[in-house]
Amino acid sequence: DVKVTQSSRYLVKRTGEKVFLECVQDMDHENMFWYRQDPGLGLRLIYFSYDVKMKEKGDIPEGYSVSREKKERFSLILESASTNQTSMYLCASSPWTGTENTEAFFGQGTRLTVV
Amino acid sequence: GQQVMQIPQYQHVQEGEDFTTYCNSSTTLSNIQWYKQRPGGHPVFLIQLVKSGEVKKQKRLTFQFGEAKKNSSLHITATQTTDVGTYFCAGGKTGGFKTIFGAGTRLFVKA
Repeated sequence: DVKVTQSSRYLVKRTGEKVFLECVQDMDHENMFWYRQDPGLGLRLIYFSYDVKMKEKGDIPEGYSVSREKKERFSLILESASTNQTSMYLCASSPWTGTENTEAFFGQGTRLTVV
Repeated sequence: GQQVMQIPQYQHVQEGEDFTTYCNSSTTLSNIQWYKQRPGGHPVFLIQLVKSGEVKKQKRLTFQFGEAKKNSSLHITATQTTDVGTYFCAGGKTGGFKTIFGAGTRLFVKA
């Protein structure tokens, strides 16, 4: 079974803190993604990575950065957490066919609350 | 940028009734994927459609990809309480790494 594991299920942080969300996948997938999920807005893409050390901005990258030093690990960083970053964060990975994305496998999600 | 719109946002049905959710893209897609997210869970892949006009079935679920590859639908026949959850469509572009998700349709089924 493909496994995408996020380091925390629930997290509470203070405004201004630097926050690290970690994600590890065990299927040697090239692509990894970070989404945030908010009611009525669906899943919005924050950043994605198609290879080690490669990253691309998604639709809402402001206030976030990412790191991919190893193929299996993709980290999301909130440089200075703010209350509007309170959300559910979902990590996903997918294999690359050479022409397009295929099935994405999601982690269980991290519910982050910034107080 | 590329957008994927999904309607309706919510749907309440009586058990046994049919349900349909629709997905429209502002640009031509290379593929469309459908996911289901149970309450409290994470999205789980259901199916991928690639060909223009493609129709696929999974038991009571029927998935369609439009001829222009800009729209798609998911139809559930005779809903059951186990169908509750949020259904997302997600589109990709040829040569692109990004998969853009619709906002999802949340299905409520009353027994």
